[in-house]
Amino acid sequence: AQTVTQSQPEMSVQEAETVTLSCTYDTSENNYYLFWYKQPPSRQMILVIRQEAYKQQNATENRFSVNFQKAAKSFSLKISDSQLGDTAMYFCALLNTGANSKLTFGKGITLSVRP
Amino acid sequence: DAMVIQNPRYQVTQFGKPVTLSCSQTLNHNVMYWYQQKSSQAPKLLFHYYDKDFNNEADTPDNFQSRRPNTSFCFLDIRSPGLGDAAMYLCATSRGVGYSGNEQFFGPGTRLTVL
Repeated sequence: AQTVTQSQPEMSVQEAETVTLSCTYDTSENNYYLFWYKQPPSRQMILVIRQEAYKQQNATENRFSVNFQKAAKSFSLKISDSQLGDTAMYFCALLNTGANSKLTFGKGITLSVRP
Repeated sequence: DAMVIQNPRYQVTQFGKPVTLSCSQTLNHNVMYWYQQKSSQAPKLLFHYYDKDFNNEADTPDNFQSRRPNTSFCFLDIRSPGLGDAAMYLCATSRGVGYSGNEQFFGPGTRLTVL
């Protein structure tokens, strides 16, 4: 079975500052995908960033970047120049590619950006 | 814009009264998922359809059923809602399962209240 752990239930950051959200995971597969999803209050879940496990290069999407450490099974999200609109719940998720492919979510972290 | 639509956004039902939640998609994706998300928790997969093939999660109660009459629509039926079934129900779609680029696209959710 695969697991995703987000140990910090909530974080707060000042607008324009940088914040890092932590995530660790466990899987027996060698090939898989990792995602960070954002769910703003009362709004729908959207994909922030995606990382393929076979790629060593860390994914980057504008102000969002990841630090993917495959050996340590760590997948943290860095948000640079935080904006008020970044206030949301963030979920780390793992997709295995085996016969029973399934997206497994962490418990999520509530991020608040302070003006 | 291609999207995942859920109706209604808010549904109130009475204890034990059957209720149906609706999801439609214009993405022409092969896979449709239903998740249950309780307050400040991670989404929990109930089941999914790959085309017409139904895949139930082992721990999904029998009280939850699903129908997919065509590619575009998928329904979640709760036969006898209990107070513990009050939650946000998320519909998601993806092109396939377990391969590169397999992002799941989420609808806005239906918030179910059971009185």
